[in-house]
Amino acid sequence: GAGVSQSPSNKVTEKGKDVELRCDPISGHTALYWYRQSLGQGLEFLIYFQGNSAPDKSGLPSDRFSAERTGGSVSTLTIQRTQQEDSAVYLCASSQELVNTEAFFGQGTRLTVV
Amino acid sequence: DQQVKQNSPSLSVQEGRISILNCDYTNSMFDYFLWYKKYPAEGPTFLISISSIKDKNEDGRFTVFLNKSAKHLSLHIVPSQPGDSAVYFCAASEISGGYQKVTFGTGTKLQVIP
Repeated sequence: GAGVSQSPSNKVTEKGKDVELRCDPISGHTALYWYRQSLGQGLEFLIYFQGNSAPDKSGLPSDRFSAERTGGSVSTLTIQRTQQEDSAVYLCASSQELVNTEAFFGQGTRLTVV
Repeated sequence: DQQVKQNSPSLSVQEGRISILNCDYTNSMFDYFLWYKKYPAEGPTFLISISSIKDKNEDGRFTVFLNKSAKHLSLHIVPSQPGDSAVYFCAASEISGGYQKVTFGTGTKLQVIP
């Protein structure tokens, strides 16, 4: 596609339910990032995929969060047993497997846990 | 441990004047720096970047300055326009495990007053 696509754009879920957020990166981009932005906060790094290497999961806030990237393309971020503090905008970005290059962001998924 | 810091959460500037957004970093391995701009309900978009081998990069109204010894960079916007009102994120990248890893600051909300 022309840009990074995220779905859904908005998600309202009940506390305790599981949610899956999807990211379609730009074709050919081997690096993929997940960030989240809570209300009034900056961009919080969650997880980073690069090619076939093991992902950098150092930013995941708890074991309720996990992410996969199938076939080096589409990525899914899963949040199990959602809590109200998980409410945020979840942003996905992708970039080429080059150094000194910018990442391109999707429009984000706004998650609201009620 | 916040490796990229934007200590001013907000900034107000009169239209036509200069906007200066600041960013400090702690990781000496960062070698490429970027600024992103984010409007509400949209993903961040790349604005301008600078390599660590340079101390200045200019693109139209936007100039980024890098002071490596002080581990400080700044974004200058002149003249500022109301359409520049947005949240600006500073980002820094390093080569980690053979790949580029990007760390973002917490953002500065710029308001340009007509």
